[in-house]
Amino acid sequence: DGGITQSPKYLFRKEGQNVTLSCEQNLNHDAMYWYRQDPGQGLRLIYYSQIVNDFQKGDIAEGYSVSREKKESFPLTVTSAQKNPTAFYLCASSTQKEGAQHFGDGTRLSIL
Amino acid sequence: SQKIEQNSEALNIQEGKTATLTCNYTNYSPAYLQWYRQDPGRGPVFLLLIRENEKEKRKERLKVTFDTTLKQSLFHITASQPADSATYLCAPPGGGSYIPTFGRGTSLIVHP
Repeated sequence: DGGITQSPKYLFRKEGQNVTLSCEQNLNHDAMYWYRQDPGQGLRLIYYSQIVNDFQKGDIAEGYSVSREKKESFPLTVTSAQKNPTAFYLCASSTQKEGAQHFGDGTRLSIL
Repeated sequence: SQKIEQNSEALNIQEGKTATLTCNYTNYSPAYLQWYRQDPGRGPVFLLLIRENEKEKRKERLKVTFDTTLKQSLFHITASQPADSATYLCAPPGGGSYIPTFGRGTSLIVHP
């Protein structure tokens, strides 16, 4: 079945450490997105990519980095510069501009 | 600035009744609006998209309306079931972009 796979489901980060969240899709979608969700909050856009080798900052990009070397993959790195990284991270993809966003089941990141 | 408002209080209804959820937006006029369902610990799932020239859209027991004068969308679930219990997110595109901007969502609890 086509879909989006995020891994790991749970991740723990030590102070000063960078961690990378994986996102893979086999839906053949051009656009991919990373969101952060905090309790009681809406989804906030971190980064998005409309095509391979190109990506743009969203509303809260500081402390995060991404790459888009392959159409299927859009990994997110949470750097040590992100001072409050504890959150639920969601990856999504879509095709046409109005198209529905297809989400993975998220990665929950916590600080040790 | 653009703002999306969904009722932050949970909506509790009895099984079989119609649930009505509200999404209000201010300071812009989106050309369309999406609705998603999110279960705890999972990614959102796309339900419906309604365009500004469509007054109403239906899918099985779901109905969405879009009133551009009131700047409001209503989401109805008829003959509600306990399995409909979830958080429902309203998502018009951000101003000047096609990328959805998500509201905080409204939690629906259907009691048997």
